[in-house]
Amino acid sequence: DAGVIQSPRHEVTEMGQEVTLRCKPISGHNSLFWYRQTMMRGLELLIYFNNNVPIDDSGMPEDRFSAKMPNASFSTLKIQPSEPRDSAVYFCASSPPRGSGGTDSYNEQFFGPGTRLTVL
Amino acid sequence: TQLLEQSPQFLSIQEGENLTVYCNSSSVFSSLQWYRQEPGEGPVLLVTVVTGGEVKKLKRLTFQFGDARKDSSLHITAAQPGDTGLYLCAGGAIYNQGGKLIFGQGTELSVKP
Repeated sequence: DAGVIQSPRHEVTEMGQEVTLRCKPISGHNSLFWYRQTMMRGLELLIYFNNNVPIDDSGMPEDRFSAKMPNASFSTLKIQPSEPRDSAVYFCASSPPRGSGGTDSYNEQFFGPGTRLTVL
Repeated sequence: TQLLEQSPQFLSIQEGENLTVYCNSSSVFSSLQWYRQEPGEGPVLLVTVVTGGEVKKLKRLTFQFGDARKDSSLHITAAQPGDTGLYLCAGGAIYNQGGKLIFGQGTELSVKP
């Protein structure tokens, strides 16, 4: 089975440019999460969706960040304009419906390989 | 706001030693998960504990959920270089806010041969 797919794996861009990160969750999963990881701040939740609907975007740093989930198999995280402080590894994770996998499927999240973003 | 504090943040040990990583909070969680992350990859789920006092074993790894469901520990027996990585604990929000997890800051483990 394919896991969570993220693209691109690496992105280098210049300050002020628009950046779009893409994610394909695991088929059948109904929750999708976007995280940012840095050495200083660890793993931060930016936004998450349930059945394609944004539930909590309180972790989005500012208006330069936006996320969409037009259907159950695709999501994007956009940064416009990008700044050097946005440099980080961005992870997408998906989660199955609660209880769908038995007693152990308790909010379990499956992560993609991440996109390493460098803004010069 | 629910927070999880992990300790220690960094741990460097020799192969064969035992170690324990702690995950503490003042809040109650519906579940507690442990993830392991290797360089260049995303975190991978190791185990989920859901009942207060629950103990789960995964080969040389032992996971325990506190009786009050506010804390957890990960114990590794006879650590091996392959155990090297970032260990993250994550708590399930008590009211299951759409499956949201609260992550600790992580413990960076290095096991030297």
